[in-house]
Amino acid sequence: DTAVSQTPKYLVTQMGNDKSIKCEQNLGHDTMYWYKQDSKKFLKIMFSYNNKELIINETVPNRFSPKSPDKAHLNLHINSLELGDSAVYFCASSPRTSGRSIYSYEQYFGPGTRLTVT
Amino acid sequence: AQSVTQLDSHVSVSEGTPVLLRCNYSSSYSPSLFWYVQHPNKGLQLLLKYTSAATLVKGINGFEAEFKKSETSFHLTKPSAHMSDAAEYFCVCPGFSGGYNKLIFGAGTRLAVHP
Repeated sequence: DTAVSQTPKYLVTQMGNDKSIKCEQNLGHDTMYWYKQDSKKFLKIMFSYNNKELIINETVPNRFSPKSPDKAHLNLHINSLELGDSAVYFCASSPRTSGRSIYSYEQYFGPGTRLTVT
Repeated sequence: AQSVTQLDSHVSVSEGTPVLLRCNYSSSYSPSLFWYVQHPNKGLQLLLKYTSAATLVKGINGFEAEFKKSETSFHLTKPSAHMSDAAEYFCVCPGFSGGYNKLIFGAGTRLAVHP
């Protein structure tokens, strides 16, 4: 099926550990994103990559490091996990990254990864 | 800068009754606007989008939204709620970061549907 997929779906770990979340899209899109959804359901963009190049970094702590090996994959590595990192992390993709057309804003979301730090 | 405000954090309706989820926007020009839906433990799905071609926008699952410039609103409606409509709904506007597009989400409205 064509989609945005994420692994793992659930991740429970202890403070101080390092963990990674993987994202893959087979929609042929050039742009991928990471979002964080907190316990109050508030969604905020963290990063965006276009063809393996970082284009948006929304003042996320340095402990978060995205990596894009190719335009179909965007992984998120988190060092020294803290309690406040507990959230649901969503990956998304879109066919375009700029332009005023509304179609350039359409994004397709993965199912999310629920990270719990204890 | 553009922003959206969802006026209700929770809305509860009975099955078969109308649904109204309210969203106001702030923009210095005619905006583009979206509604996304998030069912429990699922990712987000685009419900509908305003393209300025028509002020009344039809989306999936019987939802509609009407763009009212005079009221700076983009409320989401459905004539008759179904149990499967229970979900979190987000009003979304476009934004920019360093010249690149991004989405700006409202705080969300949780819709509960009772039998």
